[in-house]
Amino acid sequence: DVKVTQSSRYLVKRTGEKVFLECVQDMDHENMFWYRQDPGLGLRLIYFSYDVKMKEKGDIPEGYSVSREKKERFSLILESASTNQTSMYLCASRDTGKQRQPQHFGDGTRLSIL
Amino acid sequence: AQSVAQPEDQVNVAEGNPLTVKCTYSVSGNPYLFWYVQYPNRGLQFLLKYITGDNLVKGSYGFEAEFNKSQTSFHLKKPSALVSDSALYFCAVREISGSARQLTFGSGTQLTVLP
Repeated sequence: DVKVTQSSRYLVKRTGEKVFLECVQDMDHENMFWYRQDPGLGLRLIYFSYDVKMKEKGDIPEGYSVSREKKERFSLILESASTNQTSMYLCASRDTGKQRQPQHFGDGTRLSIL
Repeated sequence: AQSVAQPEDQVNVAEGNPLTVKCTYSVSGNPYLFWYVQYPNRGLQFLLKYITGDNLVKGSYGFEAEFNKSQTSFHLKKPSALVSDSALYFCAVREISGSARQLTFGSGTQLTVLP
């Protein structure tokens, strides 16, 4: 089974801090994704990556950046955290070239910005 | 542009009764369609998908979904609900050969199965 691991389940940070959310997958997937989940809004794509050092903006990239230095690891960075970035963050991965395959999700990081 | 709608925020059903969670989509061409389930404090788990072929798709835990092209719908169904089916359900769509490269998710439907 594919395992996607997010480093923290719960995280509390202060406004203005630089925040790092880490995600690791163990199935050699080239595609990785970061979403945020808010009640009533479903999942919204922040950034995704098709390969090492490659990244593309999703629907809501403002205030975020990403890093993909190794294939198995995809990091989400909040450059200067704000209270409106309090949310559940979900990481996912998927097989390359197999557009018909589902994404596999981690258990999420619930981030609170005070 | 692709989009998906889950018209019901909340669905309640008695244990043992059939359940339906509704999903409609909008794409310019043909869709890939997915259903995911999320249990409390967990990530999303894949349930089933429609790519091509039979309109009735069978998935995990006894769930199935019916693709209806004329009504642009992909409703999730189960003949007999269990209390353990209580969870948040998401429908997702991606247009085949469309300009959007990733999935678009619905807003989610909270299913509660009452004992």
